Amino acid sequence: DSGVTQTPKHLITATGQRVTLRCSPRSGDLSVYWYQQSLDQGLQFLIQYYNGEERAKGNILERFSAQQFPDLHSELNLSSLELGDSALYFCASSVAGDGTEAFFGQGTRLTVV
Amino acid sequence: GEDVEQSLFLSVREGDSSVINCTYTDSSSTYLYWYKQEPGAGLQLLTYIFSNMDMKQDQRLTVLLNKKDKHLSLRIADTQTGDSAIYFCAEGGGKLIFGQGTELSVKP
Repeated sequence: DSGVTQTPKHLITATGQRVTLRCSPRSGDLSVYWYQQSLDQGLQFLIQYYNGEERAKGNILERFSAQQFPDLHSELNLSSLELGDSALYFCASSVAGDGTEAFFGQGTRLTVV
Repeated sequence: GEDVEQSLFLSVREGDSSVINCTYTDSSSTYLYWYKQEPGAGLQLLTYIFSNMDMKQDQRLTVLLNKKDKHLSLRIADTQTGDSAIYFCAEGGGKLIFGQGTELSVKP
């Protein structure tokens, strides 16, 4: 158990819908990262937050957004969902903002039908 | 741009050593990482190496870094069936750039 908690574990939704994925980082970790894992794209970095502020942005679509709350948990919002958004979404956390020893959650498997 | 390459498959016999190789492009990366992913599970951080080191050993795991050739390897000694998984090499500080993953199959 990495100490990073993601909910829900599985999500099935229809095209055009909006979903929210939640991540609770390890106790004491200030940085949260979101990644998308799909068969065709592999593991892709989406976005990083550090102590509530956006730190780095990767290949995140405009339909996707994220935030980190004062209690350091984070949410990834995915809207106007398309079939191609079906993937495993991982959250990771680390103490520092440089990614050293980033620990991953079990992921949320999103299926868009 | 940033890119990390790994071979896709490796098959070994139980008890043998496994060596998983990785090449990367970003010479400014401070750390290089190895993660393990078992079926249906998240990514488990196995080990990482600071870019000014050549080697790091942690029990059955040995990481070798050739910074000149931008080559990273992970050696697993006495490989067991429980080591069967996908192994990802990653570089970066902050955001991580992952390779495609190497599927390690350990045959009894």
